[in-house]
Amino acid sequence: DQQVKQNSPSLSVQEGRISILNCDYTNSMFDYFLWYKKYPAEGPTFLISISSIKDKNEDGRFTVFLNKSAKHLSLHIVPSQPGDSAVYFCAASTAGGTSYGKLTFGQGTILTVHP
Amino acid sequence: KAGVTQTPRYLIKTRGQQVTLSCSPISGHRSVSWYQQTPGQGLQFLFEYFSETQRNKGNFPGRFSGRQFSNSRSEMNVSTLELGDSALYLCASKLSIAGVMGELFFGEGSRLTVL
Repeated sequence: DQQVKQNSPSLSVQEGRISILNCDYTNSMFDYFLWYKKYPAEGPTFLISISSIKDKNEDGRFTVFLNKSAKHLSLHIVPSQPGDSAVYFCAASTAGGTSYGKLTFGQGTILTVHP
Repeated sequence: KAGVTQTPRYLIKTRGQQVTLSCSPISGHRSVSWYQQTPGQGLQFLFEYFSETQRNKGNFPGRFSGRQFSNSRSEMNVSTLELGDSALYLCASKLSIAGVMGELFFGEGSRLTVL
């Protein structure tokens, strides 16, 4: 039962253009969402997060949008840079209760930014 | 400050053997979580420890176990190894277990190959 889905295994964009990575979830109890970036041979690194009380969060070139009614979130990277080439994971959690450090991850999307 | 440290980084075992992986969290972090990453399943939550107590557990068989020591360092053990246990095992630490959900900080992982 894949509660968090990233339906695009890969995405290729030109340097300077916008990268849009998508994520869908099925569990309506999720109320906190995160994006992680992972380079080969390294652990995932935190990128940006959003609480369900918001619909947008921005941090520099990275913006995450949340559409609760559609159970969909997206990560926008503008402008894209070759150094952004990595695997991007969407993750979700229930911030309260007993979730603690438990995140449910999507399968990941490989982003390639061409110079 | 030092990040999350995992040892060993790489190891090869044969079916039926057991393995112990170690994780030292970021100094001051008291919550430690473990994840398994495989190409087919993505990142899957194994368990989380806080104050030497397991607080949450994922859907893995009893062959997977863990513990946390008083200095917050954690170990996970897999007994009776199967070929399907070949994966990257990631440890993540978090400052606290309560309050606003913050990001997890991941180590580089321990790559286990079962032959």
